[in-house]
Amino acid sequence: DAGVTQSPTHLIKTRGQQVTLRCSPKSGHDTVSWYQQALGQGPQFIFQYYEEEERQRGNFPDRFSGHQFPNYSSELNVNALLLGDSALYLCASSRYVGLAEALTEQYFGPGTRLTVT
Amino acid sequence: KQEVTQIPAALSVPEGENLVLNCSFTDSAIYNLQWFRQDPGKGLTSLLLIQSSQREQTSGRLNASLDKSSGRSTLYIAASQPGDSATYLCAVRPRTGRRALTFGSGTRLQVQP
Repeated sequence: DAGVTQSPTHLIKTRGQQVTLRCSPKSGHDTVSWYQQALGQGPQFIFQYYEEEERQRGNFPDRFSGHQFPNYSSELNVNALLLGDSALYLCASSRYVGLAEALTEQYFGPGTRLTVT
Repeated sequence: KQEVTQIPAALSVPEGENLVLNCSFTDSAIYNLQWFRQDPGKGLTSLLLIQSSQREQTSGRLNASLDKSSGRSTLYIAASQPGDSATYLCAVRPRTGRRALTFGSGTRLQVQP
């Protein structure tokens, strides 16, 4: 089992550009969540995708958007990049179980380090 | 709004010491609490997950406790080793509303050989 994979590992972009980050969930998982982790801080929730729809969203502007594909993989897109978008972007996968929509344990990928200059 | 606080922010101990990392949260309506380890520039590795109905979980030299009513969790590391050096993060999943994890800022641990 490859676990959660993310690409690319590192990325350098210029202010105003657009970026796309990719995530493949752990085998058997159908839910993907994205988090942003600034240096020295804990991860902050961006949004979550399940059944190809955005189900939950944190306090991030519309510049942050995403997509989930039929194979459960996901993309995070950020438009009009700002210097403050420089961070480690983490993808986590999990699986919905039961009527209570309880999530199983989340498994995190290695992250994509985005630097905006 | 759920807030998670971790104390201390940084800790340096000699090898072999037993140590306790603290995590507190403001809203006790949680589904579970998870402790993670993060090596510099890397992703998160789950260490222990405690459901809200549980009091503690153990894995090897690690023991995590949960007191939901007081909004506290502790991670106990026995006989620390240099390989334990990392940042330790706790995260809670709310029982209502958004079910995304809310993280603390972490405790940066250094174990001196």
